Amino acid sequence: NAGVTQTPKFRVLKTGQSMTLLCAQDMNHEYMYWYRQDPGMGLRLIHYSVGEGTTAKGEVPDGYNVSRLKKQNFLLGLESAAPSQTSVYFCASSYPPLPGGPEETQYFGPGTRLLVL
Amino acid sequence: QKEVEQDPGPLSVPEGAIVSLNCTYSNSAFQYFMWYRQYSRKGPELLMYTYSSGNKEDGRFTAQVDKSSKYISLFIRDSQPSDSATYLCAMSGRTGGFKTIFGAGTRLFVKA
Repeated sequence: NAGVTQTPKFRVLKTGQSMTLLCAQDMNHEYMYWYRQDPGMGLRLIHYSVGEGTTAKGEVPDGYNVSRLKKQNFLLGLESAAPSQTSVYFCASSYPPLPGGPEETQYFGPGTRLLVL
Repeated sequence: QKEVEQDPGPLSVPEGAIVSLNCTYSNSAFQYFMWYRQYSRKGPELLMYTYSSGNKEDGRFTAQVDKSSKYISLFIRDSQPSDSATYLCAMSGRTGGFKTIFGAGTRLFVKA
């Protein structure tokens, strides 16, 4: 049981280049999330998905796109990378909340460090 | 003003000390309060979870919530070098859709 995995672990891009970050989970979770973590800012939600084929914007979605074609995978794309997108990106997944209940525990991947020059 | 405020530290203590980590928040709709632990170059993992006000204890860890003051705390007793990590508070509420907000995290160093 690998949990949540992310590829690549580290990447250097030049301004204007594009790339895709891949997240995979083997826990059969419905919900998946992409966060970025910056010093002093904590984790900020970029996009999330509540099921296969559905995605929604989070707190900081500009400059990113996502796709959830398969339940176990959640892709994060940068079409034209900017230095402001230098960050550590975390993917997470969880079960949906029970009716009237709290959000379920999120399980995080190990992160992808992205440097945009 | 951020919805969740957390002192980034770093906080350095000797082994065996009692550690107090804190967060304040502004949104009174938050009902669920969590503490995540994040080791260096790893993803966060859930450490403690509490609902509404009160205390919750798990081994050497105690989570405390004071909703009237909008203040939450995590206490670590008999701190160990293995407790050295970044601790992130997080909170959410059922306000028409989920929304978990994370604090910036406090870096803790426990010296042997």
